[in-house]
Amino acid sequence: SYVLTQPPSVSVAPGQTARITCGANDIRSKSVHWYQQKPGQAPVLVVYDDTDRPSGIPERFSGSNSGDTATLSISRVEAGDEADYFCQVWDINGGPVIFGGGTKLTVL
Amino acid sequence: QVTLRESGPALVKATQTLTLTCTFSGFSLTTSGLSVSWIRQPPGKALEWLARIDWEDDKYYSTSLETRLTISKDTSKNQVVLMMTNMDSTDTATYFCARTRFTRLLEGPFDFWGQGTKVAVSS
Repeated sequence: SYVLTQPPSVSVAPGQTARITCGANDIRSKSVHWYQQKPGQAPVLVVYDDTDRPSGIPERFSGSNSGDTATLSISRVEAGDEADYFCQVWDINGGPVIFGGGTKLTVL
Repeated sequence: QVTLRESGPALVKATQTLTLTCTFSGFSLTTSGLSVSWIRQPPGKALEWLARIDWEDDKYYSTSLETRLTISKDTSKNQVVLMMTNMDSTDTATYFCARTRFTRLLEGPFDFWGQGTKVAVSS
């Protein structure tokens, strides 16, 4: 089965850039979506189709996908960005919808 | 605007069948390229996708849970229903419904989510 691997935690100081990775075999061949989830709330889509941002999501959120790693980057990190982040792909021969294990972003 | 709301029992007993309803507004499941999925999240754990129903009534299930799941829709009521049989304590979770707007063939992101409904399974 297809597995998406995320680091359990990432820490970053305010104003710096946070990078959260999502690793899987040849993930570049898939379309990766990213969600932000704050405690007690539903997830919110922040990046879709590797690099696109939904309306209302700040330009500070960006995505990339190459080789075996997709990355969500958050520039000029703010305290309000502290949350869990999940990557997700569609794999018709797998889940078919697969989520990564999630990464807790801590703003120091 | 698009909204989704989950409803169902907060507590079920082990071996019982769980029935959850997702009532949505702001879109129609007769519109090409749209689907509604059910996703769950055990306390403190990751998201787990369960099932999806498309505008054409195509249905997809988690390979690990498909023998226990049935998804259906009532387009006249703007509702999607999920049934999960033989509930167990490991099924205790918050259950979300979410909409997908296809951006590629058969797939797309979950662009709108309900707030979720907590379900506990008692023995």
